Amino acid sequence: DAMVIQNPRYQVTQFGKPVTLSCSQTLNHNVMYWYQQKSSQAPKLLFHYYEKDFNNEADTPDNFQSRRPNTSFCFLDIRSPGLGDAAMYLCATSRDRGQGRVNTEAFFGQGTRLTVV
Amino acid sequence: AQSVTQLGSHVSVSEGALVLLRCNYSSSVPPYLFWYVQYPNQGLQLLLKYTSAATLVKGINGFEAEFKKSETSFHLTKPSAHMSDAAEYFCAVSSSGGYQKVTFGTGTKLQVIP
Repeated sequence: DAMVIQNPRYQVTQFGKPVTLSCSQTLNHNVMYWYQQKSSQAPKLLFHYYEKDFNNEADTPDNFQSRRPNTSFCFLDIRSPGLGDAAMYLCATSRDRGQGRVNTEAFFGQGTRLTVV
Repeated sequence: AQSVTQLGSHVSVSEGALVLLRCNYSSSVPPYLFWYVQYPNQGLQLLLKYTSAATLVKGINGFEAEFKKSETSFHLTKPSAHMSDAAEYFCAVSSSGGYQKVTFGTGTKLQVIP
């Protein structure tokens, strides 16, 4: 009964070749996040969607894009992966029910480990 | 702005000994605080959370944490370490208003020695 599902778990891509990571959720949460976690570091927020509204972090490189075609799915596109983009990419969801009623934690997927060769 | 600081990137304890992982927070508004655990090549699993209710929070796997406003701390403890507790632990903070943009600490790797 996985709630946040990331595919694939492991992805190998060539330097400069576009790659897409996917995330789906069965929680019907209205907020979805993408985090990048490099080896032995804390997860770093890249961007998030509040429903259809895209919110980019100020220091997220332009090389990273995202799409959310519907509530359940969110994609991370890396247009031209470099060696420095090798990392674990974590998708998470949370629910803002409005009027101050918030589910207070984020639910994470198992992550996709990206290798750039 | 909000942040958390985890003291000690690596902690080693003997099996059966007390586990204490330290976290201090900084927040201009009442915070929500979390501890997550991450096993190798896995995602993050929530251990416990503080959301301004009880200051002593009990979580899964026998872990608990106490929110101390006067010390701006939210340390994670477990009375008796088990081998399966070996993992990386992240303290995290988010604001109490609106949806959650979670900011993580740098993590503490817990080693349990048989």
